[in-house]
Amino acid sequence: DVKVTQSSRYLVKRTGEKVFLECVQDMDHENMFWYRQDPGLGLRLIYFSYDVKMKEKGDIPEGYSVSREKKERFSLILESASTNQTSMYLCASSLTTGPNNQPQHFGDGTRLSIL
Amino acid sequence: GQQVMQIPQYQHVQEGEDFTTYCNSSTTLSNIQWYKQRPGGHPVFLIQLVKSGEVKKQKRLTFQFGEAKKNSSLHITATQTTDVGTYFCKGGNQFYFGTGTSLTVIP
Repeated sequence: DVKVTQSSRYLVKRTGEKVFLECVQDMDHENMFWYRQDPGLGLRLIYFSYDVKMKEKGDIPEGYSVSREKKERFSLILESASTNQTSMYLCASSLTTGPNNQPQHFGDGTRLSIL
Repeated sequence: GQQVMQIPQYQHVQEGEDFTTYCNSSTTLSNIQWYKQRPGGHPVFLIQLVKSGEVKKQKRLTFQFGEAKKNSSLHITATQTTDVGTYFCKGGNQFYFGTGTSLTVIP
């Protein structure tokens, strides 16, 4: 079974801090994704990566950056945390994208609170 | 980004009643995937439909893909409390999920 591991289940940070959320997958998947989930808004894509050192913006990239130095690891960075970034953050990975895209496998999520 | 719209956003049903959620896209989809997220959990892949008009069943769950490949539905027969959660669809080669339908089952 695919295992997607997020480094923290719960995290509390202060406004203005630089925050790192880490995600690791163990199935050699090409693609990795970061979403945030807020009540009534579903899953919104922040960034995705289809290869090492490659990244693409999703719907809501403002205030975030990402890093993919190794295939198995995809990091989400909040450059200067703000209270409106309090949310549930979900990482996912998939084998392929495009017309024959494979299912996405999710981590357990990180509930981030910015005070 | 492209969005797949889901309706309804919320649904409360009495245990034993049926439930349906609909997924609609303005563009033709190469395939559609359905996911379930239990309360406090993460989305888990249920099924993928690829062919026009395709119907697939998983026990009490029936999934349909429209003839034009622009819409899909998930129907649950005789809901149980274990069906509680949010159901998401995701269209084709998009990275974007539908808005989700949150199902509450009243015992």
